[in-house]
Amino acid sequence: AQRVTQPEKLLSVFKGAPVELKCNYSYSGSPELFWYVQYSRQRLQLLLRHISRESIKGFTADLNKGETSFHLKKPFAQEEDSAMYYCALKGGSGYSTLTFGKGTMLLVSP
Amino acid sequence: KAGVTQTPRYLIKTRGQQVTLSCSPISGHRSVSWYQQTPGQGLQFLFEYFSETQRNKGNFPGRFSGRQFSNSRSEMNVSTLELGDSALYLCASSPDTSAGYGYTFGSGTRLTVV
Repeated sequence: AQRVTQPEKLLSVFKGAPVELKCNYSYSGSPELFWYVQYSRQRLQLLLRHISRESIKGFTADLNKGETSFHLKKPFAQEEDSAMYYCALKGGSGYSTLTFGKGTMLLVSP
Repeated sequence: KAGVTQTPRYLIKTRGQQVTLSCSPISGHRSVSWYQQTPGQGLQFLFEYFSETQRNKGNFPGRFSGRQFSNSRSEMNVSTLELGDSALYLCASSPDTSAGYGYTFGSGTRLTVV
């Protein structure tokens, strides 16, 4: 069975501080990992996918298979980063189900 | 291009009734998935359709069903509504389910059962 754990329900930081949103997963095969973000009153949006190895809005995430983690990082938080962040896992090619973590609310204060 | 469109945006139903929710995926997307979002359980997978075939189903009772049409539009139906069915129902579409494809979500249908 696949499982995604986001240990923090709420992460509160000041503007300009570094941010790390934690995500650990459990999956026996080769997973695909995603980060989704939901800003207030907006729809869930894809932020990052590990397969792209991209940086979006200053956020990066590296898949660590040894530690089964996919933490989301940003060196300098901005107030507009305040949102709900969800880590999600999809099984290997041909598997279409996304398993989501419970989410972490990021609050960036001025 | 247009995003994933879900209708209606809001619904209020009475216990015991049934409800049908609609989802129009992004043009060209053949995979449509449905999720239930609640404060307590978070985002839970309901089912996924690809080219009119249900390929995966989550751990929900048989009261929850769905279908996909030849134009990829999808509907989900919940019969004999219970208070616990109150939730935000999200639809997501993807061009394919191969590695590398993410899902685009709609704004959801907020269902309230009274």
